[in-house]
Amino acid sequence: KQEVTQIPAALSVPEGENLVLNCSFTDSAIYNLQWFRQDPGKGLTSLLLIQSSQREQTSGRLNASLDKSSGRSTLYIAASQPGDSATYLCAVRTPGANSKLTFGKGITLSVRP
Amino acid sequence: DTAVSQTPKYLVTQMGNDKSIKCEQNLGHDTMYWYKQDSKKFLKIMFSYNNKELIINETVPNRFSPKSPDKAHLNLHINSLELGDSAVYFCASSPQTSGRDSTQYFGPGTRLLVL
Repeated sequence: KQEVTQIPAALSVPEGENLVLNCSFTDSAIYNLQWFRQDPGKGLTSLLLIQSSQREQTSGRLNASLDKSSGRSTLYIAASQPGDSATYLCAVRTPGANSKLTFGKGITLSVRP
Repeated sequence: DTAVSQTPKYLVTQMGNDKSIKCEQNLGHDTMYWYKQDSKKFLKIMFSYNNKELIINETVPNRFSPKSPDKAHLNLHINSLELGDSAVYFCASSPQTSGRDSTQYFGPGTRLLVL
């Protein structure tokens, strides 16, 4: 059974700092991995999707990496801003016809001005 | 031009009632999902439909019954509501069930409170 872990549960950093959010998963047989952002009281917004054959994906100040063999992914946020404050969730997709996303519990990030 | 929409946004009801949540996507996607996010913010899949056909049914009580009248809609009906059903329910859709184009797009959520 796939389990996704995100530690720590919460993180507070000063504005401008570069930071790394970690995600680990127990079963390396994944199809892809997706990072989401959730603002308080809102739905999820997809940030980046990395296929199992890829090592990283970049979008603006965000860079996500994937090491499938070790069951790890990181989301790197450069030059953090107060607007980056949100909960960041990692989810892995199992392979197969009835594949599904298994989510971590998320990391709540607070960027202090 | 909302991509994935849910109604209602908030739902407060008494224990034992029956309620429905509606979801619509205008993205032309084949696959739709229902997720439950509990008080600890843990997000877990409940159901998945592909072209109106149920493909994932995670250990969910029979009181929950999804219905997909067409590819663009996936509704969730809940019978005999219990206190433990209080949560945020998210609908999502993706172009495909698997494959390279399986990015999921989420609705804004329906906050259900059972009293």
